[in-house]
Order: sequence, then structure tokens, then C-alpha cells
Amino acid sequence: DVKVTQSSRYLVKRTGEKVFLECVQDMDHENMFWYRQDPGLGLRLIYFSYDVKMKEKGDIPEGYSVSREKKERFSLILESASTNQTSMYLCASSTPQGYYGYTFGSGTRLTVV
Amino acid sequence: EDKVVQSPLSLVVHEGDTVTLNCSYEVTNFRSLLWYKQEKKAPTFLFMLTSSGIEKKSGRLSSILDKKELSSILNITATQTGDSAIYLCAVVPSNTGKLIFGQGTTLQVKP
Repeated sequence: DVKVTQSSRYLVKRTGEKVFLECVQDMDHENMFWYRQDPGLGLRLIYFSYDVKMKEKGDIPEGYSVSREKKERFSLILESASTNQTSMYLCASSTPQGYYGYTFGSGTRLTVV
Repeated sequence: EDKVVQSPLSLVVHEGDTVTLNCSYEVTNFRSLLWYKQEKKAPTFLFMLTSSGIEKKSGRLSSILDKKELSSILNITATQTGDSAIYLCAVVPSNTGKLIFGQGTTLQVKP
């Protein structure tokens, strides 16, 4: 069964901490994405990557960075966590054209206190 | 700017009711439209609709794509409490692998 795995389901961090969210897929997909999901706002794209070492900003990249050193792994980094980054974070992957949509990870619910 | 809009944003019904969720889109190069169901974890795929496959059905769920009106509906008949979830609509443009999501519709089915 194909999978996208996010390293943590729940995470609590303090303001100012550097936070790493990890995502690994075993489908050999070229595309990987990071979204945050907030009530009433839907899914908002933070960053995405079409290939190893490539990254592009999404709609809300401020306060975030990403790393893709290997095809299967896409990391989201909160350089200095703030309370307004408390959210559900979803990782997804897809084939290059995304024709069949995404396969999502289970999500990480991050709380910044 | 490409956009997907869902309505209503939230809905409360009782078991046995029939619900219709709406999705409209403005996308420069439309390829397909997808519906996902999200309970407390990852969204799971429900349907994909394309120009050559405008109607899909699975059990109590069905979906139709209206290419003229640039919209889609998701119908759920004889709702059950297990249908309570967020329903996401997304459009796949043909020029990019990036999905465009609507805000989602939160459905609550009461016993």
C-alpha cells in the first residue's frame, strides 16, 4: 500500500523554537507539497517541490523553509515558531502532472505555546 | 487567478437526510476535478471527474461535473453519522501539478 508518512501526529513546541516536520513517501513521486489547514480557510499551500533540491514558494511561505535532499523526503522547517503557526500541517505527493490528485500524509497537529 | 469555491461551508443534518455539496471553479486550463473526504486525519480520495467522465457513483455517494456551469456537486443520500467529515473539492489544472483547493464543507450528521 502506497504511503505518505509524517513523522509526528501531534507536536507541542514553544515560541521561538526551531521546528522540523518530516514527510516521507514511498511512491517515487516527483512532486511533494506542504499545506497548512485552518478552519474556514481550507488548505493553504506553503511550499512545494518538483524535484530533488528544487523548491518553490506557495501562497503563504513566510516564516517557513523547506528541504528536499532526497526524492522521498520533504521537510518543513519553522525557523522560529510563533503562536500563529499553530495549525494542522499536511504533506502530500503526486506524479508530475498531478492528474490523479495527491496522496496525503496523516497530518501533524502543531501547537505553539 | 485560479479559484475554487465550495458551499456551504458547514452543514448539520440528521441521519437519513440527503445532502448536496457544491463546488464551483474558475481555472484557466481545467483537467480534472477531485473530491476528498477528511475525517480526523488525511484526506481520502472519493471521486475524479473529467471532461470524459462527468458522473461518478459509489454507494450512497455520487458526483456530477457541469462543464458549462464550471461546477460540481457531491450528493450523499441516506446520510449516516460516519459521513461526518470535511469534504474537499480540488481542481487539477493541465499546466501544473499543483491542485487548487476549495475551503472545504464541514458536514455533521446527527443521530
